[in-house]
Amino acid sequence: AQTVTQSQPEMSVQEAETVTLSCTYDTSESDYYLFWYKQPPSRQMILVIRQEAYKQQNATENRFSVNFQKAAKSFSLKISDSQLGDAAMYFCASHTGNQFYFGTGTSLTVIP
Amino acid sequence: DAGVIQSPRHEVTEMGQEVTLRCKPISGHNSLFWYRQTMMRGLELLIYFNNNVPIDDSGMPEDRFSAKMPNASFSTLKIQPSEPRDSAVYFCASSPFGVSYNEQFFGPGTRLTVL
Repeated sequence: AQTVTQSQPEMSVQEAETVTLSCTYDTSESDYYLFWYKQPPSRQMILVIRQEAYKQQNATENRFSVNFQKAAKSFSLKISDSQLGDAAMYFCASHTGNQFYFGTGTSLTVIP
Repeated sequence: DAGVIQSPRHEVTEMGQEVTLRCKPISGHNSLFWYRQTMMRGLELLIYFNNNVPIDDSGMPEDRFSAKMPNASFSTLKIQPSEPRDSAVYFCASSPFGVSYNEQFFGPGTRLTVL
């Protein structure tokens, strides 16, 4: 079975600084996709960034980027120039075939 | 597009009552997912449909839970009878192009409280 592990229940970052959220996953598949979703206090889940496993280049979306280490099965999210609006729960997720898994989430606090 | 629509947004009911949660996916999306989120268990996939057909319902906790998708624009998740441990936020999500590697678009969720 595939699992997704987020070992940091809570993280905090100073506004304008950089923070990295960790995620590891376990799969025996060679073809899969990885995602980071953001869930602000409004509860609305929003896609932050996605990574195709077959791509070696790390995905980037503005201030958000990932460090995808396929051999280590690691998929961390880096948020640069953190803003107050980045405060939320962040979920790492994987999708392969008919299987969908979410991590337990990391609560990010942004300190003004 | 209005996004994924869920109703009701909040539901408070008493143990033993039937509860029906509703979802309207984004038009043109042909995959639909039901999730349950609790503090203890995080986000759990309950069931998902592809082209209105249930593909995997292994996440449905027990026979008290049932889900239907009678057409491409509507799905329900029913709990009968409800129990206090069913209290959670239930999310519906939809995705385009079948069960592919596209992102899922989530609705705002239904917060269910069973007394």
